[in-house]
This record gives sequence, structure tokens and C-alpha cells, in this order.
Amino acid sequence: DTGVSQDPRHKITKRGQNVTFRCDPISEHNRLYWYRQTLGQGPEFLTYFQNEAQLEKSRLLSDRFSAERPKGSFSTLEIQRTEQGDSAMYLCASSSGGTVHSGNTIYFGEGSWLTVV
Amino acid sequence: GENVEQHPSTLSVQEGDSAVIKCTYSDSASNYFPWYKQELGKRPQLIIDIRSNVGEKKDQRIAVTLNKTAKHFSLHITETQPEDSAVYFCAAWYSGGGADGLTFGKGTHLIIQP
Repeated sequence: DTGVSQDPRHKITKRGQNVTFRCDPISEHNRLYWYRQTLGQGPEFLTYFQNEAQLEKSRLLSDRFSAERPKGSFSTLEIQRTEQGDSAMYLCASSSGGTVHSGNTIYFGEGSWLTVV
Repeated sequence: GENVEQHPSTLSVQEGDSAVIKCTYSDSASNYFPWYKQELGKRPQLIIDIRSNVGEKKDQRIAVTLNKTAKHFSLHITETQPEDSAVYFCAAWYSGGGADGLTFGKGTHLIIQP
């Protein structure tokens, strides 16, 4: 499977614990995105990397959230001191970069479901 | 930033009939508009997209139209089938502050009645 892969697919954690999600993008893609999706809503942008550089962070990304892409390949999203409001699906996506007019398309992974109890 | 509004939130149609979902966007600089289909518990999957230099695009039973002047775009599904039942999201690509990405609408739950 050469699509975007995410791990773990499901995580149940107690409030206050830390969790980390991993994303492996499509191998030739240099852009990587993290989105959050809650039930009944569309995906909400969290952050975006071009290669190893984190170029943009949403206001949704509080100081408890941190994302890395150390070698420009896989990425991790860590949530510290989880709260019940963090319960959501965390979606990773990747694209090949370039301009929109050159055919850039974003492909999503299956998502990592987080339940904070 | 970009703001995308999507209507309706729920759409129920008889099998075989057509379905139309509409979206508006706020940033006139947005230039790429994809549509994603998401089944329960699955990833959003791209079904069709349109770029700002084109007014209409069709792929079998699915078509998308774009009106740049009015800043709205629509998804049209003809001859609907039970497998078309899902949540559909429109999105607009924005650029700003040295970065870019997609802003999504809140989704339309399409129900195909047998």
C-alpha cells in the first residue's frame, strides 16, 4: 500500500496523559498536513510541513500540541495533558507540492481516532 | 483566512434522481476546489476537483461547476445509487502568509432512498 498511513488507528487514553500519533506520507510527497475532525464536522487544519519545515500552525494548535517532521519523511503529532475536548479523529494528509495549477492534490490517511476518558 | 459555507447539511433523494450540493467561499484568491466523499469511519477520498481556470468538469455521473465571480461551486451527482450515500465535503485552497492549504465546508450527509 503506497498511500498515507497512520498509527495507531485508535487510541483510548485517560485525561492528563500524553499521546503521540505517527504519519507516513506517500513516499515522493514533500508536503504533509495534520487535520482534526470531530463528528459532524469537516476536517479542520492544524499544521503543515514542507519537507522538515513547519510552515504554518492553526490557532487550534494550543501549546499542548506539537508536531515534528525531523527528516522530512514521517511526522509525529503529540498531545500533552490530554483533555476530553481533544477527542477527535486526527487526519494526516500529503501532497507533492508545487503550485495548485501544476496538479497538486491532497491525499488523506485513514486517521487516528482519539478518545479521552 | 478562507471561509467555506456548504449547503444543505443533509440531502435525501430517491435512487436514480440527481443530487446537488452547493458551496461558497470568501477568498477570491482561492484557485483550487476539490470535493471529498467520506464514508462512516473512513478517510475523506477525493472524487473530483476543479481549478479556477475552468468553469465545469465532469467525470461520469459526477460534475462540478465553478462561478468565480459569485465565489460559489457546486457538486452534481446524476442517476444516484445506494453507494453514493456518504458525507460529502467541499474545500477551497487558500494561500497566505507563506503557506497554503485547504479549508473545508462542514459537510453534506447524502442519503439515497431506495
